[in-house]
Amino acid sequence: DVKVTQSSRYLVKRTGEKVFLECVQDMDHENMFWYRQDPGLGLRLIYFSYDVKMKEKGDIPEGYSVSREKKERFSLILESASTNQTSMYLCASSSTARGYNEQFFGPGTRLTVL
Amino acid sequence: SQKIEQNSEALNIQEGKTATLTCNYTNYSPAYLQWYRQDPGRGPVFLLLIRENEKEKRKERLKVTFDTTLKQSLFHITASQPADSATYLCALLSGGYNKLIFGAGTRLAVHP
Repeated sequence: DVKVTQSSRYLVKRTGEKVFLECVQDMDHENMFWYRQDPGLGLRLIYFSYDVKMKEKGDIPEGYSVSREKKERFSLILESASTNQTSMYLCASSSTARGYNEQFFGPGTRLTVL
Repeated sequence: SQKIEQNSEALNIQEGKTATLTCNYTNYSPAYLQWYRQDPGRGPVFLLLIRENEKEKRKERLKVTFDTTLKQSLFHITASQPADSATYLCALLSGGYNKLIFGAGTRLAVHP
């Protein structure tokens, strides 16, 4: 059974803290994605990566950075957490193989910044 | 700018009826469209993909249509069950690397 795991289901941090969200997939997928999901706004893409050490900005990259040192792991970093980054964060992966276009999602991390 | 719209109001239907959800998009010509299901507190789960040259796709009780002229997809669940209650998201291919743009989702509630 394919799996995407995220390091925490719930996280509470203080304003100004550096926050690391980890995502691991066991499907040998090339592509990995970080989204945030807020009520009424749907999923918005923060960053994605199509290969080790490669990254591209999504629609809302400000205040975030990412790291992909190994194929199976994609990290999202909040350099200095702010209250407007309180959200549900979802990681996903997908294959570039033809015919396999769906994204597989992790369970999400609900981050609260106080 | 590119825009995807799903009905933000919850859809309430009686068990056994057919649920129909709508996804409209503008300023966009996607090669394919996908539908996902999301339960509260969980990540979305892929359901179906339909390509631009396909008019209709079926999977068990699910049916998806794709009208590239109207820029609209309809998602049907026949013989709905309370277990079908969830939020349903549509997503369009938005560039390379399987990058998707998602609608905000429609919440479906199936009542016994």
